[in-house]
Amino acid sequence: DSGVTQTPKHLITATGQRVTLRCSPRSGDLSVYWYQQSLDQGLQFLIQYYNGEERAKGNILERFSAQQFPDLHSELNLSSLELGDSALYFCASSSSRDTRTTEAFFGQGTRLTVV
Amino acid sequence: AQTVTQSQPEMSVQEAETVTLSCTYDTSESDYYLFWYKQPPSRQMILVIRQEAYKQQNATENRFSVNFQKAAKSFSLKISDSQLGDAAMYFCAYRPYGNKLVFGAGTILRVKS
Repeated sequence: DSGVTQTPKHLITATGQRVTLRCSPRSGDLSVYWYQQSLDQGLQFLIQYYNGEERAKGNILERFSAQQFPDLHSELNLSSLELGDSALYFCASSSSRDTRTTEAFFGQGTRLTVV
Repeated sequence: AQTVTQSQPEMSVQEAETVTLSCTYDTSESDYYLFWYKQPPSRQMILVIRQEAYKQQNATENRFSVNFQKAAKSFSLKISDSQLGDAAMYFCAYRPYGNKLVFGAGTILRVKS
């Protein structure tokens, strides 16, 4: 158990809909990262938050947004869903802003299926 | 752009034997970390081993060791005494100063009994 909790584990929804994925980082970790793992794109970095503020942005679509709340949990919002958004979405957390020196702990992921 | 390349989509090893997974990366930075993550069928991402670029000594964790060649930008993973539980997808990852992990495409490791 990594200590990072993601809910829900599985999500099935229709095209055009909006969903929210939730991540609770390890106790004390200030940084939260979101990754998307799809069959044809591998593991892609989406976005990072550090202590409530956006820290780094990857190839995140405009239809996607995220935030980190004062209690440090994070939510990833996906809207106007398309079939191609079907993927495994991972959240990871680490304790330091410069996480070169610390490892990132991954949650078990949310499997999103868009039908 | 920083990239990580795993040239072996799939590898097989006999139980108790040794296997090496290859990884190369492209960067202009001198200070960074490299990681190997394991993803079993459960899909959990598990850190196997990490290497600091400024350290010349290769990292070792029990049956797992790396061969880090900084000049060649190569970072291979050696698994000794392979076990059935080692069967998984293995990802090589690079972390530049920008904090995000950049992953390779992965190598599926199959262990034969």
